[in-house]
Amino acid sequence: EDQVTQSPEALRLQEGESSSLNCSYTVSGLRGLFWYRQDPGKGPEFLFTLYSAGEEKEKERLKATLTKKESFLHITAPKPEDSATYLCAVGKYSGAGSYQLTFGKGTKLSVIP
Amino acid sequence: NAGVMQNPRHLVRRRGQEARLRCSPMKGHSHVYWYRQLPEEGLKFMVYLQKENIIDESGMPKERFSAEFPKEGPSILRIQQVVRGDSAAYFCASSPRVSEYQETQYFGPGTRLLVL
Repeated sequence: EDQVTQSPEALRLQEGESSSLNCSYTVSGLRGLFWYRQDPGKGPEFLFTLYSAGEEKEKERLKATLTKKESFLHITAPKPEDSATYLCAVGKYSGAGSYQLTFGKGTKLSVIP
Repeated sequence: NAGVMQNPRHLVRRRGQEARLRCSPMKGHSHVYWYRQLPEEGLKFMVYLQKENIIDESGMPKERFSAEFPKEGPSILRIQQVVRGDSAAYFCASSPRVSEYQETQYFGPGTRLLVL
């Protein structure tokens, strides 16, 4: 069974204190590793897609990396507005022809001014 | 360019009533997915639809739940005879399916269903 595990469950950072979120996965036939941001009461907002080991993508203070077993979301000099739950998901094609995402439970990030 | 739209945003039902959740995909997207997020749980795939076709409903409970995506109008997720365990956030996502190897799903704001 496909599994996605995110750690830590919650993370408190001081403004400017860089850190990393981890997403480890076991899935056969991986077709993409996704990072989303979710604010309270809202839907997941797409951040990045990574397709192959060694790939990296950046957006403002966020950088996502991918290996064969895990992905990291690095947050450099975070600001309070970066506070949110960050979701990791793996994508694969099912036998029924759909492209399904399997999500982790998320890491709740709080950035303190 | 409007994103994925869902309505209602909040829905309260009593046990035994029916719940209808609507989703309009992003312009140009013909693939619609429904996910459910239970409290303290990750999002779980329910069903995948294209216009007038259910492609994969492997994640949807066999009873009381149904979905459609008609030729005209939004996709509908219907839950009949709701029970308290149906209380959750239901998210719709749409994608353009660029190719077999690249697909990104964009999510709507969700419908929060509360069953009393």
